[in-house]
Amino acid sequence: NAGVTQTPKFRVLKTGQSMTLLCAQDMNHEYMYWYRQDPGMGLRLIHYSVGEGTTAKGEVPDGYNVSRLKKQNFLLGLESAAPSQTSVYFCASSSARQPQHFGDGTRLSIL
Amino acid sequence: DQQVKQNSPSLSVQEGRISILNCDYTNSMFDYFLWYKKYPAEGPTFLISISSIKDKNEDGRFTVFLNKSAKHLSLHIVPSQPGDSAVYFCAARVDNAGNMLTFGGGTRLMVKP
Repeated sequence: NAGVTQTPKFRVLKTGQSMTLLCAQDMNHEYMYWYRQDPGMGLRLIHYSVGEGTTAKGEVPDGYNVSRLKKQNFLLGLESAAPSQTSVYFCASSSARQPQHFGDGTRLSIL
Repeated sequence: DQQVKQNSPSLSVQEGRISILNCDYTNSMFDYFLWYKKYPAEGPTFLISISSIKDKNEDGRFTVFLNKSAKHLSLHIVPSQPGDSAVYFCAARVDNAGNMLTFGGGTRLMVKP
């Protein structure tokens, strides 16, 4: 039982490059989330989705875009990477009103 | 403005003793609170939760206490074990359709053998 799987686990980008982080869940959860974790700041919500085809902004959405074309997948895109986006990114999924389940994260460095 | 705060970045406890991790919040609309545990290079895992209609919830060695008037919750681990060494995040939720969580900054717990 894989749960929540994030791809890739590590990535180094140059400023201005673009990339997409993939999140896949096999628990048939309606809700999916993208967070970033920075030292001392906990996890901050970037974007979230309450169902296939729907997305919404979280606390820190600027510089990111998302898509939820399939229920099991939630993609996070960086169109033009900036050093301030160096962080650890976590994807999570949940059913309504249930605790969120997290993937193991993607460590992203932008030079 | 952080709505959920964990004011102690780290805590060191001897094995077998009690660990107490604290969390304060400012948003009176939060109705549900959770604790997550995180090991290095892994994602957070759910540990225990409490509804705002309760003041205590217990699960084995873990107990969460909620003081709504003080906007304060705490996680007690008794007895502490070396395997409990991890970063603990407090999180809170407002009752809405998105099930969104607001996290504190985390407390690193070190349990010494």
